[in-house]
Amino acid sequence: DVKVTQSSRYLVKRTGEKVFLECVQDMDHENMFWYRQDPGLGLRLIYFSYDVKMKEKGDIPEGYSVSREKKERFSLILESASTNQTSMYLCASSWDRDYGYTFGSGTRLTVV
Amino acid sequence: KQEVTQIPAALSVPEGENLVLNCSFTDSAIYNLQWFRQDPGKGLTSLLLIQSSQREQTSGRLNASLDKSSGRSTLYIAASQPGDSATYLCAVSRTGGSYIPTFGRGTSLIVHP
Repeated sequence: DVKVTQSSRYLVKRTGEKVFLECVQDMDHENMFWYRQDPGLGLRLIYFSYDVKMKEKGDIPEGYSVSREKKERFSLILESASTNQTSMYLCASSWDRDYGYTFGSGTRLTVV
Repeated sequence: KQEVTQIPAALSVPEGENLVLNCSFTDSAIYNLQWFRQDPGKGLTSLLLIQSSQREQTSGRLNASLDKSSGRSTLYIAASQPGDSATYLCAVSRTGGSYIPTFGRGTSLIVHP
């Protein structure tokens, strides 16, 4: 089974901190994605990547950046955390659309 | 722009019932449709993936059907159990261009003993 591992289940950070959320997949998937999920708003795409060192903005990239130095790892960076970035963050990966998506277990981030 | 709607938003049923969850989409030019389950505070777990050329997929007590012409997919759960309680989401990938899927908001299911 494909595994997508998010390094932290719960994180509490202070306003203004730089925050790194890590995601690692073990099946050589080309494509990786970061979503945030909020009650009443559903899943919203932040950034995605089709290849190493490649990134594309999703629907809500403001306040975020990403890094993909190796194929298996896709990091989401909150440059200066704010309280409105308190959310559930979900990482996903995919070989290609024929095979659908595999999600990690999520990181619940609270910014205080 | 593809829009995906899941109705009802919430459902509560007694154990043992057969039930149907609905997913509607506005653009029938889809590549595939994927059903997920999400437990509270957890990530999404893939249940079934239906390619556009397929009419249905089955896994255990779950059966998902796809009718592209009417823009609908249904997830049928047979003999529901309390362990089926979760939120069920569908995601639709379109043909051509970016294949970033569009997600529905989900149906929150409670199966009570």
